[in-house]
Amino acid sequence: NAGVTQTPKFQVLKTGQSMTLQCAQDMNHNSMYWYRQDPGMGLRLIYYSASEGTTDKGEVPNGYNVSRLNKREFSLRLESAAPSQTSVYFCASRMGSRTEYYEQYFGPGTRLTVT
Amino acid sequence: QKEVEQNSGPLSVPEGAIASLNCTYSDRGSQSFFWYRQYSGKSPELIMFIYSNGDKEDGRFTAQLNKASQYVSLLIRDSQPSDSATYLCAVTGTASKLTFGTGTRLQVTL
Repeated sequence: NAGVTQTPKFQVLKTGQSMTLQCAQDMNHNSMYWYRQDPGMGLRLIYYSASEGTTDKGEVPNGYNVSRLNKREFSLRLESAAPSQTSVYFCASRMGSRTEYYEQYFGPGTRLTVT
Repeated sequence: QKEVEQNSGPLSVPEGAIASLNCTYSDRGSQSFFWYRQYSGKSPELIMFIYSNGDKEDGRFTAQLNKASQYVSLLIRDSQPSDSATYLCAVTGTASKLTFGTGTRLQVTL
């Protein structure tokens, strides 16, 4: 099992360019999440998908869109990148909503720089 | 007030000592509490989770939860240089979401 995979690992964008970050999990998890991590700010939730077919905003959704393509895949799109979106992006997944399944598994991250 | 608060550190402990990491949270309805370890440049990995008041031990790690005081801690016994990392406290909120603290950086010195 690969767990949670993310592509690309690194990306440099110019202001105004668009891109999609890809995430896939092979653990048959129901819930998937996108976070960004900035120095001193911890992990902040951008969007999440509690189950296939649903998506909801997190703490910092502005400037992002998401698609839950199927149970395995959850993508994050930046329509018009801004320097403030320079960050490390982590995708995570979790089995379901019951208490014992609250553990989240993280992908390796995408390091994005917007110039 | 932040929902989950941690001292950013660095917390420096000598090798072999006990490291004590603390976390407070604001939502009294929180049910599940997690400690993640994150090495520099890597993704977070789960170390411990705890749901009930009291202590939970796993090897060198002990998680302690006090819901009345809204306080959760992680003790690392016999600290090793390989324990040097940032430790993230996470708390369940509403709608299947975890809320993370900003992390405490631990340095284990030789």
